[in-house]
Amino acid sequence: DVKVTQSSRYLVKRTGEKVFLECVQDMDHENMFWYRQDPGLGLRLIYFSYDVKMKEKGDIPEGYSVSREKKERFSLILESASTNQTSMYLCASSFGGGVKQYFGPGTRLTVL
Amino acid sequence: EDKVVQSPLSLVVHEGDTVTLNCSYEVTNFRSLLWYKQEKKAPTFLFMLTSSGIEKKSGRLSSILDKKELSSILNITATQTGDSAIYLCALAWQTGANNLFFGTGTRLTVIP
Repeated sequence: DVKVTQSSRYLVKRTGEKVFLECVQDMDHENMFWYRQDPGLGLRLIYFSYDVKMKEKGDIPEGYSVSREKKERFSLILESASTNQTSMYLCASSFGGGVKQYFGPGTRLTVL
Repeated sequence: EDKVVQSPLSLVVHEGDTVTLNCSYEVTNFRSLLWYKQEKKAPTFLFMLTSSGIEKKSGRLSSILDKKELSSILNITATQTGDSAIYLCALAWQTGANNLFFGTGTRLTVIP
């Protein structure tokens, strides 16, 4: 079975802090994705990557950056956290040509 | 402008009821439509539908795509409390990166 893991289930940070969210997949997937999920807004794509060191902006990249130095790991970075970045963050991965995405358990981030 | 609209936004039913969840979309050039179930953590894959119109079934769940109506329905018969979840619908575009565009989801609550 595909396993996607995220570094933390719950995280509390202060405004202005730098925040790292880590995602690791064990199925050698080429594609990896970061979403945020908010009530009434569904899942919105922040960034995605289709190869090591490659990244593409999604629908809401402002305030975020990403890093993919290894195929299995995709990191989401909040350079200076703000309260409006309080949300559930979901990571997903998929095979190169596939559309079916496998999700991690999510990180619920609270920025105070 | 929303490309994927799910209805209803939320639904409360009693155990044993049959429910129909709807996913409507505005575009025609998509590769496939996916349904996911999200309980307290990671969304888990349910079905992938294509424009072939073939119904997919798994136990008490079934789903079909209606090309003419630009919509898909997810049916759950003889609901159980374990069916309580958010049900997400997503479109995979025909070309370009393998992104999914998600609807806002339908929150289903099944009460004993």
